[in-house]
Amino acid sequence: GAVVSQHPSRVICKSGTSVKIECRSLDFQATTMFWYRQFPKQSLMLMATSNEGSKATYEQGVEKDKFLINHASLTLSTLTVTSAHPEDSSFYICSALTSGGAYTGELFFGEGSRLTVL
Amino acid sequence: AQSVTQLDSQVPVFEEAPVELRCNYSSSVSVYLFWYVQYPNQGLQLLLKYLSGSTLVKGINGFEAEFKKSETSFHLTKPSAHMSDAAEYFCAVSGRDSSYKLIFGSGTRLLVRP
Repeated sequence: GAVVSQHPSRVICKSGTSVKIECRSLDFQATTMFWYRQFPKQSLMLMATSNEGSKATYEQGVEKDKFLINHASLTLSTLTVTSAHPEDSSFYICSALTSGGAYTGELFFGEGSRLTVL
Repeated sequence: AQSVTQLDSQVPVFEEAPVELRCNYSSSVSVYLFWYVQYPNQGLQLLLKYLSGSTLVKGINGFEAEFKKSETSFHLTKPSAHMSDAAEYFCAVSGRDSSYKLIFGSGTRLLVRP
């Protein structure tokens, strides 16, 4: 199956700093990627939809100035948590939708990135 | 808009006993349905999906699910549980309106006892 890679898998940062998380589709092109956030022992909450070459679409309640999303190429989307605070600590997961053709009904998920803000 | 309800936060079973994880959904449009499994500190792995056609869907690791439109359900089953099946299971729905956004249920933790 298709592979989506996230980096870093774990990151610890100080409060007030910014952290960038990368999501790459390794063997396919993805015009659309999604960013999810998962709190401990909870479900995944969709944060935003990232489309290559255009602005991301954020879900209600997600601060777009806090969580900057850039989808500069068909294989890379980045999530930058700006001025991180302890409440931003979470597990962030991206997923990618293959481009072209009929909707196959499957998203490919990255391994997730655990952010801890001290 | 769509929503997914997984009523059971935890389901304990004995090894080799049958498994059923329940999922109900709500949607104003036709849907695609999915089951994913998540192991600790890992991403999600697709178990199975319903797009169209046969309402009984077979997936990996011996799991299957049946789409019942009249009941708006998509329960996940397996005849015999293995210790390796212990994980978090998420049901998800996507509207057939081309938005491709997956909405997840709250998850069910499957506990397998020897």
